[in-house]
Amino acid sequence: DAGVIQSPRHEVTEMGQEVTLRCKPISGHDYLFWYRQTMMRGLELLIYFNNNVPIDDSGMPEDRFSAKMPNASFSTLKIQPSEPRDSAVYFCASSPGQGRTDTQYFGPGTRLTVL
Amino acid sequence: GESVGLHLPTLSVQEGDNSIINCAYSNSASDYFIWYKQESGKGPQFIIDIRSNMDKRQGQRVTVLLNKTVKHLSLQIAATQPGDSAVYFCAENTQGAQKLVFGQGTRLTINP
Repeated sequence: DAGVIQSPRHEVTEMGQEVTLRCKPISGHDYLFWYRQTMMRGLELLIYFNNNVPIDDSGMPEDRFSAKMPNASFSTLKIQPSEPRDSAVYFCASSPGQGRTDTQYFGPGTRLTVL
Repeated sequence: GESVGLHLPTLSVQEGDNSIINCAYSNSASDYFIWYKQESGKGPQFIIDIRSNMDKRQGQRVTVLLNKTVKHLSLQIAATQPGDSAVYFCAENTQGAQKLVFGQGTRLTINP
């Protein structure tokens, strides 16, 4: 299994630009999670999906952030417009669900730098 | 200017020694616990998990102990190796809930 795949691995952009992060979960997993990790705040859950439906987006910082999951194998996290304080490492994770296990498996992350 | 970051607890051990990393949790309803390892530049990697109906579980060179009475979790790593250097996170959740609550992490450094 290839594991959770994220792209790009690194993104450098200027303030005000739109940023789109992408994630492919592990095949067969029903849950997908987006996290943000910073030195200041640690690992924060932004949003998660179950069977492509957003379940809890209470961690999304503000309206500049949006996430979609158009199908079971793809999700995006978009920031528009981006700001320097959005600089962080963004992780996507997936878990099987359906009572099998609650273990979440993380991707390698996207390091975002907003200048 | 640069923001002050999280002050991660740090544990330094000699190569070959055993390490014990501790984690306290607050939710008495939590019934599933996971330890993750995060190496520099990588995502958190699953190490071992334990459910609340157990108090000990062993893996390869790792053991997790759960004390529900005092809401304490520990990860023991036997015969530490340089590759064990990383930040270790505990995480918890409640049955039926998919959201994991992560601890702040402990940085483990292996001295040669």
